[in-house]
Amino acid sequence: AQSVSQHNHHVILSEAASLELGCNYSYGGTVNLFWYVQYPGQHLQLLLKYFSGDPLVKGIKGFEAEFIKSKFSFNLRKPSVQWSDTAEYFCAVKEGGNTGKLIFGQGTTLQVKP
Amino acid sequence: DAGITQSPRYKITETGRQVTLMCHQTWSHSYMFWYRQDLGHGLRLIYYSAAADITDKGEVPDGYVVSRSKTENFPLTLESATRSQTSVYFCASSESDRGVYEQYFGPGTRLTVT
Repeated sequence: AQSVSQHNHHVILSEAASLELGCNYSYGGTVNLFWYVQYPGQHLQLLLKYFSGDPLVKGIKGFEAEFIKSKFSFNLRKPSVQWSDTAEYFCAVKEGGNTGKLIFGQGTTLQVKP
Repeated sequence: DAGITQSPRYKITETGRQVTLMCHQTWSHSYMFWYRQDLGHGLRLIYYSAAADITDKGEVPDGYVVSRSKTENFPLTLESATRSQTSVYFCASSESDRGVYEQYFGPGTRLTVT
């Protein structure tokens, strides 16, 4: 069965620090990969997605992610975090076939200290 | 442009009662999903639907019933609520865009079963 693994469960950073959140998936076929963000008390919103082309994907709010096929990874990065980036971050991969289902990782809670 | 809405946003009910959570989307997306979000468990898929009158079980379907008579609506019913069903419930919808299935999430329903 497909799975998504997010290595960091809870990350604490100071403002202006750089961020990298790890995501590994298990699926050998064509991938759709996503990073979603959930701000406190809100619903999930799309940060960025990858389905083909340039493996370095730019998203909203200065986030980017790099798809490395050989490592089955899709790590999320931001060069300088802000207090407003405090949120939970979910990596997801589309399940094979045409179900439309996404397989989500367990999530990483990011706390940015002002 | 309403997008995807859920009602009620908050609900308190007693053990054994039947509860229905509503989900409505205005995009005519084919796919719709119900998730529950609990601390330590991330997002877990309850049921999903690929089209009107087509539904299938997800990871945690026990105790839940869904229907989809119209494309835009996907209600979730707890037949006899239990305390373990206290959770935040998110509805989502998606459509294939060149084979990419980005999911759009509703604002969530916070359900407490006493």
